[in-house]
Amino acid sequence: EVQLVESGGDLVQPGGSLRLSCAASGFNFSSYWMSWVRQVSGKGLEWVANIHQDGSEKYYVDSVKGRFTISRDNAKNSLYLQMNSLRVEDTAVYYCARRLGNCSGGYCYNWFDPWGQGSLVTVSS
Amino acid sequence: DIQLTQSPSFLSASVGDRVTVTCRASQGISTSLAWYQHKPGKAPEVLIYGASILQSGVPSRFSGIRSGTQFTLTISGLQPEDFATYYCQHVNSYLVTFGGGTKVDIK
Repeated sequence: EVQLVESGGDLVQPGGSLRLSCAASGFNFSSYWMSWVRQVSGKGLEWVANIHQDGSEKYYVDSVKGRFTISRDNAKNSLYLQMNSLRVEDTAVYYCARRLGNCSGGYCYNWFDPWGQGSLVTVSS
Repeated sequence: DIQLTQSPSFLSASVGDRVTVTCRASQGISTSLAWYQHKPGKAPEVLIYGASILQSGVPSRFSGIRSGTQFTLTISGLQPEDFATYYCQHVNSYLVTFGGGTKVDIK
């Protein structure tokens, strides 16, 4: 079964740090782009970061640039999100997701499947 | 950056209703659009990708269509398990954009 399981969510004070992990199983982890997505309570989904299969390319939403770092360990089938200088507005459920892609008739498209069940990060004093 | 404008934000419907959700892209994205269903406390699940391709295992009452930069998700015959929030998404090589979401509630 293809599965993603997040861990590491916790209560942390503003300015603090936290590392989220995402354990992958049931597929060849090293063959896929991976992403982190978050959802603030009562709000919509917000993409946070992407990482290439070999870790050579990383992209972030502007609001976390310079504070968050996405990484992966293909030998451990694991994805990580190091979060530093945390702010109250980073409080959210964080999901990891696998990116899939295909091309047809000269057009290419991507989507996320599966997603993990989410890990709650609470930033509060 | 590409923006996705989803409408409506909220809709009330009854079991058996036909429901449509619209997502408009700020520029051309070809067929690079996916639709997700998200229920509280659960992981989001893909329904449609490539604008109109039904994900394996998803009921055929869900369908997607593209007309230029406007994309539509239709649920033909709403079922009790369909009450949820729906999101559109565009993924390019570097960035990912979500629509604001449409919450489908019971009338």
